[in-house]
Amino acid sequence: LAKTTQPISMDSYEGQEVNITCSHNNIATNDYITWYQQFPSQGPRFIIQGYKTKVTNEVASLFIPADRKSSTLSLPRVSLSDTAVYYCLVGTGANNLFFGTGTRLTVIP
Amino acid sequence: SAVISQKPSRDICQRGTSLTIQCQVDSQVTMMFWYRQQPGQSLTLIATANQGSEATYESGFVIDKFPISRPNLTFSTLTVSNMSPEDSSIYLCSVEDQGAGENNEQFFGPGTRLTVL
Repeated sequence: LAKTTQPISMDSYEGQEVNITCSHNNIATNDYITWYQQFPSQGPRFIIQGYKTKVTNEVASLFIPADRKSSTLSLPRVSLSDTAVYYCLVGTGANNLFFGTGTRLTVIP
Repeated sequence: SAVISQKPSRDICQRGTSLTIQCQVDSQVTMMFWYRQQPGQSLTLIATANQGSEATYESGFVIDKFPISRPNLTFSTLTVSNMSPEDSSIYLCSVEDQGAGENNEQFFGPGTRLTVL
């Protein structure tokens, strides 16, 4: 199983772009990279998923370099409501179940 | 995408007792998962529950302490047995389903906050 490493915490001011990088040196060929967001007292929810290059949706962008050993979640112009813990998971199907420490993002007014 | 509900949402229990947590999904799913999240910590997978077979437990978790039922494709229960204060956690169930991404993703219930006195 691919182990992931993320910064424990980050602070950002409102309106700034936030980039959270996840390292996954042992990623396997069939693995996808999935990011989840968790607010206090709620279960995690899916943000974005990718296999390679760049993926963008209405919430975030995910940048994956060619070697796929890392990925970067980009949140454009964060607001106070983006304060949450962000988890990076790597795997396929039943192997995509193991959460790392996550990154606690605090958005400051 | 799947919608998941859990009961109870929270409970306060005495040590030595047991609590059964229910997880209901609005669609039929093959795999359901149970997690524990201790205060300020990440999620730890307890077990995988497939309908019609015994649950598969992760290292550090055993069936006698966390018996799981999976009677059909939309429902599962997790029992926390002979509770101690160390079992105080949030317990979450999740399912794997096709969502917005290319690969399957997990959908989580709101969690059950358990406090053991």
